[in-house]
Amino acid sequence: DIVLTQSPGTLSLSLGERATLSCRASQSVSDNYLAWYQQKVGQAPRLLIYGAFSRATGIPDRFSGSGSGTDFTLTISRLEPEDFAVYYCQQYGTSPRTFGQGTKVEI
Amino acid sequence: QVQLQESGPGLVRPSGTLSLTCAVSGGSISSSSWWSWVRQSPGKGLEWIGDIFHNGRTNYNPSLKSQATISVDKSKNQFSLRLKSVTAADTAVYFCAREGYFYDSGGYPFDLWGQGTLVTVSS
Repeated sequence: DIVLTQSPGTLSLSLGERATLSCRASQSVSDNYLAWYQQKVGQAPRLLIYGAFSRATGIPDRFSGSGSGTDFTLTISRLEPEDFAVYYCQQYGTSPRTFGQGTKVEI
Repeated sequence: QVQLQESGPGLVRPSGTLSLTCAVSGGSISSSSWWSWVRQSPGKGLEWIGDIFHNGRTNYNPSLKSQATISVDKSKNQFSLRLKSVTAADTAVYFCAREGYFYDSGGYPFDLWGQGTLVTVSS
């Protein structure tokens, strides 16, 4: 299985600051099939980024994804109040699909 | 808009069978999407269980070995999960999710999720 390791575990930032979240894969992610999800307490994950850098429908442009191979990054350019949540990376290029353990973005 | 809704018992006895159904509304289960089950527990985070296409083709996470069975009922526009011989380790929030195909990049990320349902395994 491809193991995804996210860092840091928790990111403490203020409104308006830039958040940089990392996701490292134990082996190359096929076709860069790497997605990022946002999850708030009591809710299901929501797709933010797919294909490593494409924003899903309705996702603000302050969210951006980058990277390829084994190293990927989610950047939130200016944190808004609604952005404080847990973020997961997930690869869907190789079965079984796997998720990272999550990064919590907190105030 | 397509919506997914999980249903099933919230409590299952150890060694019993967990059975959940995901109803698809606002769209057809016979689209080009795959349909998945994902669970989330404090100890193991998010774990993909398996998926199914409308023609009945399935894929499973080997970590669950032969414990899981996913089926589809096109007449009811729904798909189901059965997890046999459950233990406390199977206690989790279970989500159904759609794997939508994205033509610009290819691949099937989870683009739509149900709200999730908590299943507790306890006597």
